Amino acid sequence: EAGVAQSPRYKIIEKRQSVAFWCNPISGHATLYWYQQILGQGPKLLIQFQNNGVVDDSQLPKDRFSAERLKGVDSTLKIQPAKLEDSAVYLCASSLERSVGYFGPGTRLTVT
Amino acid sequence: GENVEQHPSTLSVQEGDSAVIKCTYSDSASNYFPWYKQELGKGPQLIIDIRSNVGEKKDQRIAVTLNKTAKHFSLHITETQPEDSAVYFCAASKPNTGNQFYFGTGTSLTVIP
Repeated sequence: EAGVAQSPRYKIIEKRQSVAFWCNPISGHATLYWYQQILGQGPKLLIQFQNNGVVDDSQLPKDRFSAERLKGVDSTLKIQPAKLEDSAVYLCASSLERSVGYFGPGTRLTVT
Repeated sequence: GENVEQHPSTLSVQEGDSAVIKCTYSDSASNYFPWYKQELGKGPQLIIDIRSNVGEKKDQRIAVTLNKTAKHFSLHITETQPEDSAVYFCAASKPNTGNQFYFGTGTSLTVIP
């Protein structure tokens, strides 16, 4: 079974620039999550999708972050404009209902 | 929400010794507790989990215990090996949240050969 795929793996941008991350979940997984992991901390949930609907985006900084999941499969997370404090690893995870979450390798974002 | 605390933040053990990592949670409604291992440059990988209707679960050298009354759960690794060196995260999840996980702050485990 293929795992959760993410791209790019690394991204360096200057502050105020825009960036987008892509995630392809495990086939058949209806639930998709985006997490932000700042160095030395545990992952923090940004947004959760069930199929292509948003279940929870209460911790998503909506003034600069946006996410979509078209057709209930792939998802993109965008930051516009980026700030220095957005430097982190962005993790995508997926799960079947009431099952464990499987994480992708993450995208390491550095904002200079 | 849910608040998960994890201790210690760093742990060094000699190869062959045991390692114990402890977590507490705040919301008594939480009923699912996974443990993840994260190696450098990789995403977290599930290593063991426990549900609230069970007090202990074992998988080879790894075990997890849960005390619902005290709202704490622990990861036990026996006969540690150098390849166990990684960052370990505990998490808690409540029902009817689509498996929304709240993570601890992580424990960096180093196994000294």
